[in-house]
Amino acid sequence: DTEVTQTPKHLVMGMTNKKSLKCEQHMGHRAMYWYKQKAKKPPELMFVYSYEKLSINESVPSRFSPECPNSSLLNLHLHALQPEDSALYLCASSQERAQSSYNSPLHFGNGTRLTVT
Amino acid sequence: GEDVEQSLFLSVREGDSSVINCTYTDSSSTYLYWYKQEPGAGLQLLTYIFSNMDMKQDQRLTVLLNKKDKHLSLRIADTQTGDSAIYFCAARGGSQGNLIFGKGTKLSVKP
Repeated sequence: DTEVTQTPKHLVMGMTNKKSLKCEQHMGHRAMYWYKQKAKKPPELMFVYSYEKLSINESVPSRFSPECPNSSLLNLHLHALQPEDSALYLCASSQERAQSSYNSPLHFGNGTRLTVT
Repeated sequence: GEDVEQSLFLSVREGDSSVINCTYTDSSSTYLYWYKQEPGAGLQLLTYIFSNMDMKQDQRLTVLLNKKDKHLSLRIADTQTGDSAIYFCAARGGSQGNLIFGKGTKLSVKP
C-alpha cells in the first residue's frame, strides 16, 4: 500500500468545470510533486513544492493551479481544461533535509485518472 | 540536461532471471532509481543506488552500476508472473528537482 494518498481515483469533467485533485502524506516529507502521465509514456514533472513553497513550475499552463496548504497536503486546482489534458495525475513526496536539496527517493501515490470531455 | 535511455520490451519465462538495462548521460546524477508500474497503478519504488556504489542487492533484486559507462541494470532473480509490469529507470542529483525517467521497459513473464 502506498503512503501517499490521492483522491479522487477517477474524475470526469467538462471543459467548463472547476475541480480539484487532492494529495496527502503523513511521512513528514517536506517536498511534494505533481506529475502528469499519458498512456505508454513516462511521468512528466509539473510542479515541485519544497518546504511549502513552490520551487519548480515546468511551464505548466495556468489552467492548472497548485496549492500546498501545509506540509502534508498538496492540491491541484483544475479550470477550463482541454481534452488533451486527460491523463493520469500522480502526486509524490520525498524527504529532503534542506530546501532546494533533492536527493531522496520519491514516493508516489496511485494517481487520479482524469478524463476531460 | 539529463537523458535516460532503456529498452522498451523484455520477455522472459517464469523462473528465469530478467535483466533490464538503462543508460544515463549526466555524470553528476547522484541517485539512480528503479520504479515498477502495474496497469492502472502509480509508481512503486523498487530500489535505488547512490552513485558511489557499484552494487546493491535486496532479496530478488540486484542493481549494478557502472559509473564510468553510465550504465545501470536491474536483475530480477526467479522472475514470477506477478513481476509483469513496466519498469522505469530514473536519475536525479543535487540541486535538480526533477527526477528524469527513461521511457520504461515492459516486462512480460510467460508461464
